[in-house]
Parts: sequence; structure tokens; C-alpha cells
Amino acid sequence: EPEVTQTPSHQVTQMGQEVILRCVPISNHLYFYWYRQILGQKVEFLVSFYNNEISEKSEIFDDQFSVERPDGSNFTLKIRSTKLEDSAMYFCASREGTSGTRGTQYFGPGTRLLVL
Amino acid sequence: AQTVTQSQPEMSVQEAETVTLSCTYDTSESDYYLFWYKQPPSRQMILVIRQEAYKQQNATENRFSVNFQKAAKSFSLKISDSQLGDAAMYFCAYRNSGNTPLVFGKGTRLSVIA
Repeated sequence: EPEVTQTPSHQVTQMGQEVILRCVPISNHLYFYWYRQILGQKVEFLVSFYNNEISEKSEIFDDQFSVERPDGSNFTLKIRSTKLEDSAMYFCASREGTSGTRGTQYFGPGTRLLVL
Repeated sequence: AQTVTQSQPEMSVQEAETVTLSCTYDTSESDYYLFWYKQPPSRQMILVIRQEAYKQQNATENRFSVNFQKAAKSFSLKISDSQLGDAAMYFCAYRNSGNTPLVFGKGTRLSVIA
């Protein structure tokens, strides 16, 4: 069964450094998302992406964040200058369409980011 | 903005017994989707079950079923014949129709006692 994959599984970085989190959505999916989950808290939406542009972003997704689909398969989240509070689990999700079963989002296994 | 409330931070159930996890939501929309996701200790988000608001019939997936009460804006998850592998964090989530993100509740941690 097709899966969303994410790399790396764990990332440790120094405050102020740039990190790039990578995702490979399910191949026939058209809508892509990034969410984050700070330890012990609920999952929060960051950004959605469709047709090579951002569809919607939350207030968390400030100028330090950017997303890109550099080729036909990868979907990346970049944090330009990491802060301690960026430490979280970052989930990529994708879905095929918007209605019926095609509207279900499938999540990757997550990247655990630790900023020191 | 839509909100999702899970009023039970923690629940426990004996193996082979049945447990119900509660979820309520707030929306002014009539067309939307509801989901339950399971998050085991690995922290992966696994879809358990989904419900389309326009469907009156409650969704069922093997041992998992929902009680969807649209007027009450309630969406509870029932797990029958609980197994040790069901122990996890369970998140209720809501999504409007169209290209919209998921809104999650704070989760319920389910323990299964052997």
C-alpha cells in the first residue's frame, strides 16, 4: 500500500541553523500539508500546498518557514533560522482530492526535530 | 473557526472489553468530514475511521465504530473487543469540505489493561 515517507526521522540542530525536512507524498496525491506537534500537545496545522503554491497557512507559518516542491515527488519544509520553540514532531500529509474517500489525509511517520 | 474538544485526557479499558472515546466539535458548516486518528508510541498518525457529515449511517471499520450525532455535534469512537495493540493516543479531527486542513482535538490517551 502506498505510504507517505519522511526524512530524516530525527534531526538535531543548533539554534539559528537552517533545517530542511523532506517528504515524499503518495504519488497520485495532489494536496500536501505540513503539521507539527510539540511534545504533549495537539497536532497543529502549518501550511497546505496545491498546484505548486501555498493554499493556506497558519499564524505559526511565519517568514522563517517556507515550502517547496522541487521536483515531481518531494515536498520540503525549510526553517531558515531555528528557534528552541521549533522543537517538535513535524508531520507531512497528502491526499488525492477533496471529496469522499479522496479527501482523506494520510500522514507520514514524522520528523522529530530537536533544537539545542 | 472550527474547534474540536476531547474531554477525556485519559481512558483505560480491560482487554476484550468495549470503550467509548468522546469528541465534540463546533462548526457552522453543513458539509464536513470527521476523523479519528491513532498515535501509538512511535508517534505516527494512523487513520482509524472517517465519517462524512452528509451520511446518516455511522461508519464502521472492523472493531471500530462511531456514533455520529450531527445535531449535537458529537462524534464518539467505540472500540470493541479491545486489544493491547489499541493502546495509543487517539485524536479526533475535523475538516471542512474543499481544500482545508484538519483541526485536531487535544487527544485521549487510551490504556489497555491485560
